[in-house]
Amino acid sequence: QVHLKESGPGLLKAAETLSLTCAVSGDSISGGSYYWSWIRQSSEKGLEWIGRVYSLTGSVNYNPSFQGRVTISVDTSKSQFSLKMTSVTAADTAVYYCARRKAVPGLGLDYWGQGIRVSVSS
Amino acid sequence: IQLSQSPSFLSASVGDRVTITCRASEDTETHLAWYQQIPGQAPKLLVYRASTLQSGVPSRFSGGGSGTEFSLTISSLQPEDFATYYCLQMSIYPWTFGQGTKVDVK
Repeated sequence: QVHLKESGPGLLKAAETLSLTCAVSGDSISGGSYYWSWIRQSSEKGLEWIGRVYSLTGSVNYNPSFQGRVTISVDTSKSQFSLKMTSVTAADTAVYYCARRKAVPGLGLDYWGQGIRVSVSS
Repeated sequence: IQLSQSPSFLSASVGDRVTITCRASEDTETHLAWYQQIPGQAPKLLVYRASTLQSGVPSRFSGGGSGTEFSLTISSLQPEDFATYYCLQMSIYPWTFGQGTKVDVK
């Protein structure tokens, strides 16, 4: 059974950098062809896909809405992947999820972490 | 691609047949999935490729459609189905979610 778990600070101040990690267990993060994604959820904007990293090559794809503020990377030696978001504002207050999708056309994000609540104070 | 779900809210009773629609602003072929979210939990995958039921999901759930019009149907609503439902397109980057449909007790 694949298990994902987010970790990181729950509270930041405006203009700081958010760093979150998603630990993957139950399967090798690099043992297959997967997209590892970050998604967030706020009451204002609902569910937003932030971006993904492809396990086999490390290639990334980001949501342009985040205007170059985000970086997603994978550390196969630690079986985890990470999100960095710079210059946070109160609008970045949300629950952040990590999730997995097999890199096969049409498949869904099948495993999700429990989510981590992040608050940004001004 | 923008996804628009209807209705946004739906009141129903146990045993009711419920249908939720998701309309895409562009053709997504069948690269669309449906999720169920219970408060305090992560979204749970119900359907992928527009109409394929995820393993372990009860057969009362079904998905359909292609292109720009999709639907999720619950044939006989059960108490555990009162939740919020979302569609997600993964045809074109950035992947986008619908705004959600909350199904509550009539």
